[in-house]
Amino acid sequence: DTGVSQDPRHKITKRGQNVTFRCDPISEHNRLYWYRQTLGQGPEFLTYFQNEAQLEKSRLLSDRFSAERPKGSFSTLEIQRTEQGDSAMYLCASSASETRAKLFFGSGTQLSVL
Amino acid sequence: AQTVTQSQPEMSVQEAETVTLSCTYDTSESNYYLFWYKQPPSRQMILVIRQEAYKQQNATENRFSVNFQKAAKSFSLKISDSQLGDTAMYFCAFMRGTGANNLFFGTGTRLTVIP
Repeated sequence: DTGVSQDPRHKITKRGQNVTFRCDPISEHNRLYWYRQTLGQGPEFLTYFQNEAQLEKSRLLSDRFSAERPKGSFSTLEIQRTEQGDSAMYLCASSASETRAKLFFGSGTQLSVL
Repeated sequence: AQTVTQSQPEMSVQEAETVTLSCTYDTSESNYYLFWYKQPPSRQMILVIRQEAYKQQNATENRFSVNFQKAAKSFSLKISDSQLGDTAMYFCAFMRGTGANNLFFGTGTRLTVIP
């Protein structure tokens, strides 16, 4: 297993456009997390899935944000009508139930909204 | 609410020397985990060390060790025999022991190892 994969690594978009990011967790991990990291800050929690169920959402996850994990494997994070304030690194992490406190992170998707 | 504070935005250390990064946190939970993550220029978050709050013994991982002071809500990271590859951002993080699974991160400390 090569770890948590995120695609794309970089995304540049114009304000108002929709963007979608993909995360492939470690194959045996049933827990998947999305975080957002802005420059000079630590990551902030966005949402959490256990299998295909989205169990927690941060208030940071506005109505323009939606995340899915349809088959309990990969996940997508979509941002509609992007704003310049959405520019950030979007990090995905996964863990197994047995080792819930051991999260493995991907390399992130860097979003720039012009 | 949980908060994690890292009061040292930047630190530097000579190669082969020892450095300590500070972290304090605030919580009303009794059962929780504390972590140190490393983020090199590649931006991938890498787990350095983890401490369960119910364990009194400080965690160690090779050159990395922590000083966990539960009453003081302090969780510092000591890096011994610093190497150039240790140059990175270091984030302290907190996770509740039950229920919610999200990590709360501090603002990070940028560590530079000087040759």
